[in-house]
Amino acid sequence: AQKITQTQPGMFVQEKEAVTLDCTYDTSDPSYGLFWYKQPSSGEMIFLIYQGSYDQQNATEGRYSLNFQKARKSANLVISASQLGDSAMYFCAMREGPGTASKLTFGTGTRLQVTL
Amino acid sequence: ETGVTQSPTHLIKTRGQQVTLRCSSQSGHNTVSWYQQALGQGPQFIFQYYREEENGRGNFPPRFSGLQFPNYSSELNVNALELDDSALYLCASSLGVRALGNEQFFGPGTRLTVL
Repeated sequence: AQKITQTQPGMFVQEKEAVTLDCTYDTSDPSYGLFWYKQPSSGEMIFLIYQGSYDQQNATEGRYSLNFQKARKSANLVISASQLGDSAMYFCAMREGPGTASKLTFGTGTRLQVTL
Repeated sequence: ETGVTQSPTHLIKTRGQQVTLRCSSQSGHNTVSWYQQALGQGPQFIFQYYREEENGRGNFPPRFSGLQFPNYSSELNVNALELDDSALYLCASSLGVRALGNEQFFGPGTRLTVL
């Protein structure tokens, strides 16, 4: 079974609008972390936001917020006031269990295109 | 503060050859993880090195091997290259392995093409 599922291969959004990128995850570990990364065409993965499984509040970082719904096992990324520079691939990732290898399991990504 | 660097940027090899990719971790980081990203896919975990010891491995064959040096830089070696090894190889550094929220800082990657 897929541990991280991103069902939107591609999304379009107009500049200055908000957009939601979907992510669902599957784990039986009560302790886990969820990450979102941005990957521009240059290839480098840029960390955007983190949510821990025990965090009570949804994470926010500037224009990025994470809509964490634990019971539904979803961790959607919301980008407000989209900018042309937001055009890139976006990956949702999960780390399970502290103390083990801190490996990230990634989804297949969503390509976001911001238009004028 | 220097970020994560990787070399070379691009590499072309033929089937059966061996390749070594290099990664310099961010200053102060003692953990390096390697990922393989095939075209159109998300990165897949290869292995991780923590304080010069392998600290976890993904579902990759033994011909993928690595090393971490006392300065925490790292190498990824791939023997007997196959066409399916063509991918972007990403290195990520972090501080420690225990905290769930430890951010991994990624390098720009090495794009390997196997002909």
